[in-house]
Amino acid sequence: NAGVTQTPKFQVLKTGQSMTLQCAQDMNHNSMYWYRQDPGMGLRLIYYSASEGTTDKGEVPNGYNVSRLNKREFSLRLESAAPSQTSVYFCASSGQLFSDEQFFGPGTRLTVL
Amino acid sequence: KNQVEQSPQSLIILEGKNCTLQCNYTVSPFSNLRWYKQDTGRGPVSLTIMTFSENTKSNGRYTATLDADTKQSSLHITASQLSDSASYICVVSGYSSASKIIFGSGTRLSIRP
Repeated sequence: NAGVTQTPKFQVLKTGQSMTLQCAQDMNHNSMYWYRQDPGMGLRLIYYSASEGTTDKGEVPNGYNVSRLNKREFSLRLESAAPSQTSVYFCASSGQLFSDEQFFGPGTRLTVL
Repeated sequence: KNQVEQSPQSLIILEGKNCTLQCNYTVSPFSNLRWYKQDTGRGPVSLTIMTFSENTKSNGRYTATLDADTKQSSLHITASQLSDSASYICVVSGYSSASKIIFGSGTRLSIRP
């Protein structure tokens, strides 16, 4: 029972490159989330998915796209990376949207040069 | 504007001592408030959850309080241990679209032997 897994753990990109961050959960949760965490700031919600087949924008969606591939998997794509997207990215999942405890993955540390 | 503010930003105490962390929020209408613990390099883990009608919630050596009238919460840690060294994050969920979930920037707690 792995909980929430994320790949990769670390990534360095050049400005303009694209990449996809992968997230999977094995807790049969309906809701999944993507956050970014920057120094001195709270986690900020990028996108979320209330259930399989639905996605919605969070607080800071610009420059990102998401796919809820199935109930288990929720990916985050950066089409054209920018230095402002240098951050630590966390995926999370929960039963009910927002009201239930969220379980977080270990994070992906992304640097955009 | 919906905000969650935590104080202090950082705190150093000796092992065995008690401490109290503060959280003030302006989220309205309010659904629930959680405290998360985030170890360095890992994702946050939920410690407690409190709804509007709850005043106190304990989880081992962690006790959270909530005053919904003044929109303040505190997390009290008793008999601190070295493993308590972490960031503690206050997270408030609201009912409106602008306040789905808001994270405080955290208090960085260091326990010294």
